[in-house]
Amino acid sequence: DTAVSQTPKYLVTQMGNDKSIKCEQNLGHDTMYWYKQDSKKFLKIMFSYNNKELIINETVPNRFSPKSPDKAHLNLHINSLELGDSAVYFCASSQVKGQAFFGQGTRLTVV
Amino acid sequence: GENVEQHPSTLSVQEGDSAVIKCTYSDSASNYFPWYKQELGKRPQLIIDIRSNVGEKKDQRIAVTLNKTAKHFSLHITETQPEDSAVYFCAASKSGNTPLVFGKGTRLSVIA
Repeated sequence: DTAVSQTPKYLVTQMGNDKSIKCEQNLGHDTMYWYKQDSKKFLKIMFSYNNKELIINETVPNRFSPKSPDKAHLNLHINSLELGDSAVYFCASSQVKGQAFFGQGTRLTVV
Repeated sequence: GENVEQHPSTLSVQEGDSAVIKCTYSDSASNYFPWYKQELGKRPQLIIDIRSNVGEKKDQRIAVTLNKTAKHFSLHITETQPEDSAVYFCAASKSGNTPLVFGKGTRLSVIA
């Protein structure tokens, strides 16, 4: 009965590889997000989707490509991984003017 | 765009004392101000939020105040307990589905 779930929880991969993180919410929310939390714990918005449509794309390298097959899912695909991509990636969802619920996070380590 | 400043970055208090964390925001159109608590290795979780039509909100030991004129809001935790130790984030957003913009976090340590 997890509200926002993302997989995998841990991801260790080599530079240059391509990887995906999946996110699903069962709250019926219209909006989903991807946040990046760096080693200093700063939470920065990457993408925002509303009803499967991209609303916001912050300054993120185009190696990062979100995909929303339906409003309950927002996946993140990363091409040509770099060392600086190592971080914790959080998926979140919210309703209009409502609180954001976060997934458990995916700790990505690029070696 | 919105910019949220948060202070202090670290805070140590004795068990039973109060803790206060302050945030300022830049966009006067922001009208929703949540506070999240993140324990080590866990996801951020909402602990309290306030909207711009309210000046203060309280939930047991936690309270939040908002000063729209000065564009700042604060989190107050009274009678702190060791389990309050965590990183606390303030955030701000405008109406609709604009994403939350977070402050840089405050690491609170409650010393028993």
